[in-house]
Formats: sequence, structure tokens, C-alpha cells
Amino acid sequence: GAVVSQHPSWVICKSGTSVKIECRSLDFQATTMFWYRQFPKQSLMLMATSNEGSKATYEQGVEKDKFLINHASLTLSTLTVTSAHPEDSSFYICSAGAGNPNSPLHFGNGTRLTVT
Amino acid sequence: QQQVKQSPQSLIVQKGGISIINCAYENTAFDYFPWYQQFPGKGPALLIAIRPDVSEKKEGRFTISFNKSAKQFSLHIMDSQPGDSATYFCAASMRDTGRRALTFGSGTRLQVQP
Repeated sequence: GAVVSQHPSWVICKSGTSVKIECRSLDFQATTMFWYRQFPKQSLMLMATSNEGSKATYEQGVEKDKFLINHASLTLSTLTVTSAHPEDSSFYICSAGAGNPNSPLHFGNGTRLTVT
Repeated sequence: QQQVKQSPQSLIVQKGGISIINCAYENTAFDYFPWYQQFPGKGPALLIAIRPDVSEKKEGRFTISFNKSAKQFSLHIMDSQPGDSATYFCAASMRDTGRRALTFGSGTRLQVQP
């Protein structure tokens, strides 16, 4: 089945630094990728939609200058958390879908970010 | 994002029993309703999904029931096993309008007791 790989699986960084999270589709071309954020024991909240070769579309309330998304190829999207603060600590999860809009979305295993 | 309401928040079922999780949505533009299973520290995994043109879909021990007029859908897990203990999320999207992004319910923590 379709596999989405996310890296790193966990990261600890200091306040004020930036962290990059990678999301790769391993066996299919992902024209669209989605980034979610999940706090402990809560649901997944959509942050942004990333389309290959174009600017990401951010959900209301998500700071695009803080959460930089790049989708430079059909198999890779990156999320960079800039100038991280402790309140950015969360579980970040990406999902990807192939070009067919009826194809299911597959999720990565998430990245646990802890900002100290 | 349009809301998808999920209940119960938590559920305890004995091994072999039936687990039932319910979801309700508001936006009639939703046309795709998947259920995801998530284990701690992992991403969600697709279990089963349904489109609104059918009222029921079954895959193994998992069944989705869909009531379009009531704007409700539910997941039934038959013969529940301890390995089914996880958090389950219902979701919805508007595929036909091109919005594939999923709106998730709040999740149900299922515990199956041996």
C-alpha cells in the first residue's frame, strides 16, 4: 500500500530556533499534501494544504510566516517551524494523496516537536 | 473548517463485544466519510470509508452505517479484540469540490478489555 514517511519522528529544540520536518510519499506521486497538528488527546487540526509547485494554502489562524511549507517535488513536502516557542510543542502529522482526487489520503507517523 | 461531531469520547468494551462510535456532520457538501484508527505516537491509519450514495459498507469486522437524511454515520466494530484498543476518528471531506482535506471528529478512545 501507499506509504508516507515523515522525518524526524521526534525532535527537541530550543526556543527561538527553527525546525524542519519532512514528509515523503515513497511509492506514489503526491500532488497534494496536508499538514496537521495534534495536541495530546485531541483531534487533528488542519494547518495547511500544500500543492506541488505552488504556494501552500493556510487555514484560518495559522501563521504562514511561522509555519513555512515547501512542496518542491511530487514526493516531498517540508514544514519549517520558525522561531519556535514552547507553545509550538505538538505532534505534527502530514498526509498525502495521489493525483486522482478519489484516491485515499495516507498519513505519516507524525513528528513530536518539543520546544524547551 | 466545518465541524464533525463524534461520540462517545471514550468507550470500554469487553472482548468479543460490539464497539459503536457515532458521528454527525452539518455540511451537506461533504461527500466522503472515512474512519481512521490511531495508536499512541503514530499517525492515523485508514480503516474504512464510505460515500453518501450507499447506506452501509462492511470490511471484515468493521462496518460503516450511513444515514444521509440525518447527516449521521457510525462505525461498528464486531467481535472487538484487545488489539483494537486505540483512538478512532471519523472524518469528512468534499472531494467532488476539490477540497480533499479532511475535517476530523474529536476522537473516541476505545479500550477493549480481555
